[in-house]
Amino acid sequence: GDSVTQTEGPVTVSESESLIINCTYSATSIAYPNLFWYVRYPGEGLQLLLKVITAGQKGSSRGFEATYNKETTSFHLQKASVQESDSAVYYCALGDMNYNQGKLIFGQGTKLSIKP
Amino acid sequence: AQTIHQWPVAEIKAVGSPLSLGCTIKGKSSPNLYWYWQATGGTLQQLFYSITVGQVESVVQLNLSASRPKDDQFILSTEKLLLSHSGFYLCAWSLQGAYAEQFFGPGTRLTVL
Repeated sequence: GDSVTQTEGPVTVSESESLIINCTYSATSIAYPNLFWYVRYPGEGLQLLLKVITAGQKGSSRGFEATYNKETTSFHLQKASVQESDSAVYYCALGDMNYNQGKLIFGQGTKLSIKP
Repeated sequence: AQTIHQWPVAEIKAVGSPLSLGCTIKGKSSPNLYWYWQATGGTLQQLFYSITVGQVESVVQLNLSASRPKDDQFILSTEKLLLSHSGFYLCAWSLQGAYAEQFFGPGTRLTVL
């Protein structure tokens, strides 16, 4: 079936250190998968961080990057230098954006804490 | 600007009691609407989607139902709650069309005792 697996949290990183949150997907019933990273900051709603709809492309936002790798079925989230404000829960999601349904399959979420 | 409002913010209900959760989107006409559910410690699962008033499609069977009585309103309900219904419910909207980004509401925390 279709599924997403990401780094199990919680993850703690020191400020200014680099970060990688792993995400791998299985898209057996989706012909053209789209990939997303969503984020929930403390006290806020879920919001889109970045998305990539074409294999081989990279998305970036707020210093975060993720590359859609079809060969390894991965979409890892990376940041070179984290800040305290990056503390949040991060969700990788697989999408089948056909016209009607807008299907999104989420990973289990990774809680990230940044040590000052 | 578009806003999405969910009510109530939190609810504590007894097993076997009815439930109604609501979602309203302002500032956008004819959006696609979605209900998601996350059990404690679980993943977000899409439950229902709707592309127009009066039409709702079920994605996952959880003994819940959904309705879209108005263009900007989406209701999630059941006549009899189960313990397994506890969790976090999120409403989302998107523009119609492929690759449309989904925008999520603040959510409702439901505890069934």
